[in-house]
Amino acid sequence: QVQLVESGGGLVKPGGSLRLSCAASGFTFGDYYMTWIRQAPGKGLEWVSYISSSGSNIYYADSVKGRFTISRDNAKNSLYLQMNSLRAEDTAVYYCVRGSGWLDIWGQGTMVTVSS
Amino acid sequence: QSALTQPASVSGSPGQSITISCTGTSSDVGSYNLVSWYQQHPGKAPKLIIYEDNKRPSGISNRFSGSKSGNTASLTISGLQAEDEADYYCCSYADTLIWFGGGTKLTVL
Repeated sequence: QVQLVESGGGLVKPGGSLRLSCAASGFTFGDYYMTWIRQAPGKGLEWVSYISSSGSNIYYADSVKGRFTISRDNAKNSLYLQMNSLRAEDTAVYYCVRGSGWLDIWGQGTMVTVSS
Repeated sequence: QSALTQPASVSGSPGQSITISCTGTSSDVGSYNLVSWYQQHPGKAPKLIIYEDNKRPSGISNRFSGSKSGNTASLTISGLQAEDEADYYCCSYADTLIWFGGGTKLTVL
């Protein structure tokens, strides 16, 4: 079935780095834009970044621009989010999501905690 | 530009109808037919229930409907059921960016 599975979350100190991965299955990954959405504990949804199907177009929220890098490997059906210079306010569940205009398939999320 | 505006909470009794509003601007909600709505139960990932302002994905009950007038989109849930109790988020694409509303907690009394 259509599925997205995130991995790579964990506890990291402020200023540290983390790389999230998302494995896609059950659909032709290379045909779709992909998006990262995050949700801080007890808070609402926040768009982080999305990438076009070929990887040629990439956009970021102002809150992560210059610190986070989205990428994809269509041969491996995988989406990535490299997160550098992490801050306490980056603490959240990070969701890998199919689409950009609308977000139709969501992963289960991976928790990122930034704390000393 | 900032997040879309939703009421923090709404409530209704089983069988009733409720409407959740989502107010944006002429740069987002009012410019694109790309408002979507998501339902999120506690501890679960969000689920798409409306896309392109008023379309339902396969498998979504026709009790859920979307509409839009100017810069305000709305989600209506008719025939409220206990399982509809959840958080609801609107979302709009806006010139390469994506904006979410703050979320609305629906309580079924």
